[in-house]
Amino acid sequence: SYVLTQPPSVSVAPGQTARITCGGNNIGSKSVHWYQQKPGQAPVLVVYDDSDRPSGIPERFSGSNSGNTATLTISRVEAGDEADYYCQVWDSSSDHPNVVFGGGTKLTVL
Amino acid sequence: QVQLVQSGAEVKKPGASVKVSCKASGYTFTSYGISWVRQAPGQGLEWMGWISAYNGNTNYAQKLQGRVTMTTDTSTSTAYMELRSLRSDDTAVYYCARVPGVPQGGMDVWGQGTTVTVSS
Repeated sequence: SYVLTQPPSVSVAPGQTARITCGGNNIGSKSVHWYQQKPGQAPVLVVYDDSDRPSGIPERFSGSNSGNTATLTISRVEAGDEADYYCQVWDSSSDHPNVVFGGGTKLTVL
Repeated sequence: QVQLVQSGAEVKKPGASVKVSCKASGYTFTSYGISWVRQAPGQGLEWMGWISAYNGNTNYAQKLQGRVTMTTDTSTSTAYMELRSLRSDDTAVYYCARVPGVPQGGMDVWGQGTTVTVSS
């Protein structure tokens, strides 16, 4: 089965840039979606199809995807960005196509 | 506004079944699909499956095949997820989420979550 690997944690000071990676075999050939989840809340889609932003998501959130790594970049990080972030793809490579989530990355704003 | 409202918390005994509802409003229900995602306490997100509200086609996670059934009622714009033969490791928050078109799309609207506790 397809595996997505995220770092368990990323720390960044306010105003700096946070980069959260999502590794997978030839992930650049897939569409990657990113979700933000704050404690006790449902996830929120922040980037879809590698680099598109849903309406209402700040331009500070951007995504890229190439080779074996997709990256969510959060510019000018704010305290309110502290959350868990998950990447997601559709794996059609097996007999049983399915949605795959990464294990999640906890973003800490110092 | 576009929203998904889920049914309330459930407490079940091992071996029982649970059925969670997800009522959609603010958009054309049959133009989208619904994915179900669960999250065990302190753990990450786990996809359970997807159903097309247009034609009822489903795609279930292999590990849940045979225990899960997803349905929709287009007359009430409601999606349902039934999980049978419950075990303690099914204890989780269960979410429904709207998916544009096919199951591989991003989940752009989420329900508030339904806590299911399995305990003897």
